[in-house]
Order: sequence, then structure tokens, then C-alpha cells
Amino acid sequence: ETGVTQSPTHLIKTRGQQVTLRCSSQSGHNTVSWYQQALGQGPQFIFQYYREEENGRGNFPPRFSGLQFPNYSSELNVNALELDDSALYLCASSLRAEPVDGYTFGSGTRLTVV
Amino acid sequence: AQTVTQSQPEMSVQEAETVTLSCTYDTSENNYYLFWYKQPPSRQMILVIRQEAYKQQNATENRFSVNFQKAAKSFSLKISDSQLGDTAMYFCAFMKRRNYGGSQGNLIFGKGTKLSVKP
Repeated sequence: ETGVTQSPTHLIKTRGQQVTLRCSSQSGHNTVSWYQQALGQGPQFIFQYYREEENGRGNFPPRFSGLQFPNYSSELNVNALELDDSALYLCASSLRAEPVDGYTFGSGTRLTVV
Repeated sequence: AQTVTQSQPEMSVQEAETVTLSCTYDTSENNYYLFWYKQPPSRQMILVIRQEAYKQQNATENRFSVNFQKAAKSFSLKISDSQLGDTAMYFCAFMKRRNYGGSQGNLIFGKGTKLSVKP
């Protein structure tokens, strides 16, 4: 399978709830990163997984967590949702932890917290 | 910490003309990569062009080229023969080159420039 697929494309949740966003990476890509893109801003790095282990984290609280599975899929979990968590969440995969050729991005999940 | 600044929130260009998007960055690193990504309304980030900091030659990809000035920490994107399909948000991004056992290859993005190509 080629490309990066994210689901769902849109999601509305209530403040305080929990959410799971899913990503299916390009086949063979053992590195996946998640980014949060607030409206009108550039994406911000949340964390990266390499071979199913967290390989680095940006400035996000522990209620943002993730998992990576052997079949190149991954999840982003956010607990205790806050209004400021409303954003586009992008998944990006690469063959290596240092993607010198750049990442392959999905089209994102638009999360709205009300 | 590294920062990336794109000083042009919006730009427009006539079809077939040339436009240059600006990007400056701040880092104390000597080895790194720079990227330009395009984000159309479909939301998917698409790599346009990349530059390795240790290479002095400016990268070129078809109608897209960069002007990389390492001392000035400047990395501008030139789009020649602009096409309607070039209409999108353009993001400049920085990635520190990984040291052995060091940090992961995360991208640091600017806030973007919205480019509109007019017929």
C-alpha cells in the first residue's frame, strides 16, 4: 500500500473526553511522527515512534500519547480534551528516523473540541 | 532552539510569472536540512524541495529552486512559470541532522505563506 492514510477525516468531541486518531503508514516505513497544526499556524511536532518505541517528543503534555504497531499503523491518543486541542493532526512516515528525503504526510484529522 | 520565520503571510502572482517566497531561520547547528512543503486545500503536506546545509549548490526541482544563504540563514523558494495548481500554503521547515544516538529527525515549521496564482 502506498501513501499515508489517516482516519477519521473529521471529528467533534466534547471537552474532557478522550480521542484516538489513527494512521496507516506507507509500507516499509518504520518511523512515524505526529504533528499538531492549529488554524493559521505551521505544524508542531508532538512525538515520533521508531520501531514501536517513542523516539522523541515535542513540548506536549503526557495526556498526548501514542502507539505504533508492527503493521505500520499507529495511533495518537489525547486524554482530557481541552478547547485548545482543536486542530489538524497530521501523521507523517519515513523509512528512517532521520528522513533526509522528507516525510510522507497524510491528509490529517480535523479535531474540533466543543 | 531552532526557529523558522516566514515573513510573508500572503502572496499572489499571475499565472506564468515568477514568485519568490522568503524564509529565515535561526540555529546554532552546522549540519541540518531545509525543506519547502506545499499544503493545498486537500491538507496533505507535499515535499517541494530540500537542501542539505553542507551543500553549497542550490537545489532545483523543475520549476522550483531555492536560494540558500547559509551565513545569512536564509532559504527562499523561487517558483518559475507559476501555474494555477501552485495555489497553496507553503511551509519552510528545518531539521537538525541526527547525531549518533542523538535526537530524532523532527521538522520545525514556519507559519507558512499563502500563495495565490491568478489566471
